[in-house]
Amino acid sequence: EAGVVQSPRYKIIEKKQPVAFWCNPISGHNTLYWYRQNLGQGPELLIRYENEEAVDDSQLPKDRFSAERLKGVDSTLKIQPAELGDSAVYLCASWDRANTGELFFGEGSRLTVL
Amino acid sequence: EDQVTQSPEALRLQEGESSSLNCSYTVSGLRGLFWYRQDPGKGPEFLFTLYSAGEEKEKERLKATLTKKESFLHITAPKPEDSATYLCAVQNNNNDMRFGAGTRLTVKP
Repeated sequence: EAGVVQSPRYKIIEKKQPVAFWCNPISGHNTLYWYRQNLGQGPELLIRYENEEAVDDSQLPKDRFSAERLKGVDSTLKIQPAELGDSAVYLCASWDRANTGELFFGEGSRLTVL
Repeated sequence: EDQVTQSPEALRLQEGESSSLNCSYTVSGLRGLFWYRQDPGKGPEFLFTLYSAGEEKEKERLKATLTKKESFLHITAPKPEDSATYLCAVQNNNNDMRFGAGTRLTVKP
């Protein structure tokens, strides 16, 4: 079974440029999370989807961040424009609610804003 | 607001020296408490889920326990390959998942 797939793995951009991250969750997992992880810190929730509906986006900086999950499968997280403080690893996870209750993570997308 | 506090921030052990990591939490209705292992440059890897106070789970040299206020991850006779950051997370009844900052474990041979 394929795991959670994220791309790109690494991205380096100049400040004020846009950037987008893509996530393909495990097939059948209806719940999808986007987290941001700063160096030496735990993951911080940005947004949670139940199917195509964003049910918790209270921590998403809506002035520059946006996310979508079309058809309740793949998801995209966008930052426009990026700021220096956005440098972090962006993690996507999908939740196996029906079986193990485990949250499966992708490898993450490491963003560096110069 | 749900909170998760992990201690210590960093732990250095000699190979074979057993110890415990702590995760203290407050949550509005616990659905589950999760332990993850994270290696540098990787996403967190699932270890355990605990659902109710008194529950224990084991996997190789690791054993997780849960009370109403905290969870412990006991490491028995650790090996260098156990070196990693260990993350604790709580999931509430709204399916929100909140993580602690992690404990960075180093096991010296």
